[in-house]
Amino acid sequence: KNEVEQSPQNLTAQEGEFITINCSYSVGISALHWLQQHPGGGIVSLFMLSSGKKKHGRLIATINIQEKHSSLHITASHPRDSAVYICAVALSGSARQLTFGSGTQLTVLP
Amino acid sequence: NAGVTQTPKFRVLKTGQSMTLLCAQDMNHEYMYWYRQDPGMGLRLIHYSVGEGTTAKGEVPDGYNVSRLKKQNFLLGLESAAPSQTSVYFCASSWTGQYNEQFFGPGTRLTVL
Repeated sequence: KNEVEQSPQNLTAQEGEFITINCSYSVGISALHWLQQHPGGGIVSLFMLSSGKKKHGRLIATINIQEKHSSLHITASHPRDSAVYICAVALSGSARQLTFGSGTQLTVLP
Repeated sequence: NAGVTQTPKFRVLKTGQSMTLLCAQDMNHEYMYWYRQDPGMGLRLIHYSVGEGTTAKGEVPDGYNVSRLKKQNFLLGLESAAPSQTSVYFCASSWTGQYNEQFFGPGTRLTVL
């Protein structure tokens, strides 16, 4: 079983829809990261969370440490949000290394 | 600032050939990482470095060697390439500390025939 599980694997939405991507992990962590991989392959860090909630523009990330779960929300989705969204965790005691989920492919249709 | 750069962007090797991938960063980051990304799998850490002159093994180090002779550069070597090393390779760097985001290079697509 992977230590980091993302759902769904694939998601298609209409422009304007509210989107949620989920990440569950089975180990103790010190931090959780959300990243975006563009269709061209480039990877960009979106958020780093150790507790609570963070917001940047139309993106919101939350984490529940007790339930070992994080969500990434996109409000008013747009076709330019189409990308792979990746969850990664920094394991407790091994904070230099990240363990990655396999990603969620999001397609937003106009 | 260029951020994190990788050379080359694409490469095709024959089984048994060797090559070196170069990663360079201009952000004065202490930590640097090499990952591989394969279809259907998450990024996996090959090797990493926490400072000039230091390297450590990650999750999938076999078949690879690394060197960090200068703080800004992190080299990944394949001594004898195998088809199983066909992958997309990403370099990343970060500040020290466990809560810092990683900055990624654009990737190198390597095919081993």
